[in-house]
Amino acid sequence: DAKTTQPPSMDCAEGRAANLPCNHSTISGNEYVYWYRQIHSQGPQYIIHGLKNNETNEMASLIITEDRKSSTLILPHATLRDTAVYYCIVRFLTQGAQKLVFGQGTRLTINP
Amino acid sequence: DAGITQSPRHKVTETGTPVTLRCHQTENHRYMYWYRQDPGHGLRLIHYSYGVKDTDKGEVSDGYSVSRSKTEDFLLTLESATSSQTSVYFCAISEGLGETQYFGPGTRLLVL
Repeated sequence: DAKTTQPPSMDCAEGRAANLPCNHSTISGNEYVYWYRQIHSQGPQYIIHGLKNNETNEMASLIITEDRKSSTLILPHATLRDTAVYYCIVRFLTQGAQKLVFGQGTRLTINP
Repeated sequence: DAGITQSPRHKVTETGTPVTLRCHQTENHRYMYWYRQDPGHGLRLIHYSYGVKDTDKGEVSDGYSVSRSKTEDFLLTLESATSSQTSVYFCAISEGLGETQYFGPGTRLLVL
């Protein structure tokens, strides 16, 4: 299983870009990097995913290094509602199912 | 947000009683999953389904059973609840194998 390493907590000022790093040095060639977030007491919310190329959607951008051993999630203009725990996940398939292994994540606090 | 509801949202029960949690989706997705979330463990897969009447075990399936008689409903049953099953339970769905998983709002279960 490819494991991920994230800082336990980060702070960011409202309106600034939040850059959340993730290391996944054991990732294999066919494994995707997924990002979810979880706001207190709610279900995990899908943000973005990628394989090799950088990706952008209405929520965030995902930058994956060329060797794929690390990635960065970028929230371009953080708001107070972005305060949450952010999970970087490497998805792999096992016994016919897609298994998501959630680590401890990064607790991101957006400050006014 | 994906059309996923879970019921009940909160439940308190006593040790030894049977409990059934329901996940209902309106997306017509083929795959459905049950996870539990506990402090220090992240989310762990209990069971999943890849079609009507097709289910398989996840990593923490002991003490749980599931059923899927319709595409839209996936039931998780604790035949005889124990205090170790006190947790927050999340349902997730995905359109196909390897597709993005979307999570429901969760059910908080307290077993006394």
